This record gives sequence, C-alpha cells and structure tokens, in this order.
Amino acid sequence: AQSVAQPEDQVNVAEGNPLTVKCTYSVSGNPYLFWYVQYPNRGLQFLLKYITGDNLVKGSYGFEAEFNKSQTSFHLKKPSALVSDSALYFCAVRDAGGSNYKLTFGKGTLLTVNP
Amino acid sequence: DTGVSQDPRHKITKRGQNVTFRCDPISEHNRLYWYRQTLGQGPEFLTYFQNEAQLEKSRLLSDRFSAERPKGSFSTLEIQRTEQGDSAMYLCASSSDRNEQFFGPGTRLTVL
Repeated sequence: AQSVAQPEDQVNVAEGNPLTVKCTYSVSGNPYLFWYVQYPNRGLQFLLKYITGDNLVKGSYGFEAEFNKSQTSFHLKKPSALVSDSALYFCAVRDAGGSNYKLTFGKGTLLTVNP
Repeated sequence: DTGVSQDPRHKITKRGQNVTFRCDPISEHNRLYWYRQTLGQGPEFLTYFQNEAQLEKSRLLSDRFSAERPKGSFSTLEIQRTEQGDSAMYLCASSSDRNEQFFGPGTRLTVL
C-alpha cells in the first residue's frame, strides 16, 4: 500500500519570503514522488518529480523539492514566494517497483501568498 | 493545444440517469488514467489503461462504472444509474514512459 500525508491544510506566507509545503509518504519499495499544482476550476499541473539521482530536484516556476529517504519526506520549497503562487498543491507517490502506475495523492495544501 | 482534453467540462444530471465522459490523451502517450476528486480531497485513482488494455480498476469503481479505450486512443467513462454520491470532478491523465502524468481540465459531474 502507498500513502501520502500533507500535514498542513493551509500555508500562508508573505510575498518575497521563502515557502515550504510539507509532504511525507509511505511505499513498500522505492518511491517515485511528484508535486502538482491546481488553480481554481483547472486540472492538475505537473511541477516536478523525483525518480532517482540528486535529492534536490528543480521544477517549474522556480520550485524545488528535497527528497529525504530517512525521513520519508519530499517537501516543496521556493526561495521567494509570489502572489501568483497562491493555489492548491498536491504531493503524490507511486511505488517504483510496481507494475501499477497509479498515483496516490495527499489531500492537498492551500498556499496563500499575501502581498 | 496538444494537452489532454476532456468533454464535457460540466454535466448536470438527475439521479438514475446514465452519463458518459470522454478523454483525449496526448497523442503519443500509451497510458491513460481516470481519477475522481471530491471537494477537499486529492484525486483518487479509478482505473488505468496501457494502450487498449484496462490493467487495473480501483475498488472505488463499482459495477455501475465502466471505462473503455478502443484502439488505444481516446477513452470513455460511463456511469450508469447515477447517484448523488457520484457528484465529483472526474479527471483524466495520460503518460508515456517518463512517469509524470499530465492531467486534463476535468469533467465536473453534479447529480441532482
């Protein structure tokens, strides 16, 4: 079984400040990890992924995420938040060794960047 | 636009009616997925196709739900005898061998 926890329903930051959106996961094998963003009335937009290699992965719009195997975490970060980053963020996982390609998502974290 | 497309974007129906949704994946993608998203939750996996073969179905997919992907191109999701609990956003995604899935805009179903 695989699962994702996003412990914060909401995160509020001031524009220009760094942001972190937390994610922890559970899989039986090695994880493939993903972050998606969802704007109102829109589908999910892919931000970045960890498959293998460097623990720090960089993605779209200046976002990055750090894979920490010992803490089973994959937190999303950005050095300087923009008001336009305000949206709903989802972390997702799948088992790298599984034949099933389905993603398991967290419940989402609503990020609000205040001007 | 070469992204994933879904039709219709919105569907309002009465309880007991049948509905069908369509998904057109990115053309070179051989894998296609259906998810369901309710308010305040992340997407939940429903079913997965590799080419035309349906390889997995979630236990969320009751016998009132059926999905097809003829010829390995577009896919349809049909819900028979709709219930109010079926009201949700139905999301389609596709992928190649690069692992990340690309999502369509979704079909919002409201069952009255």
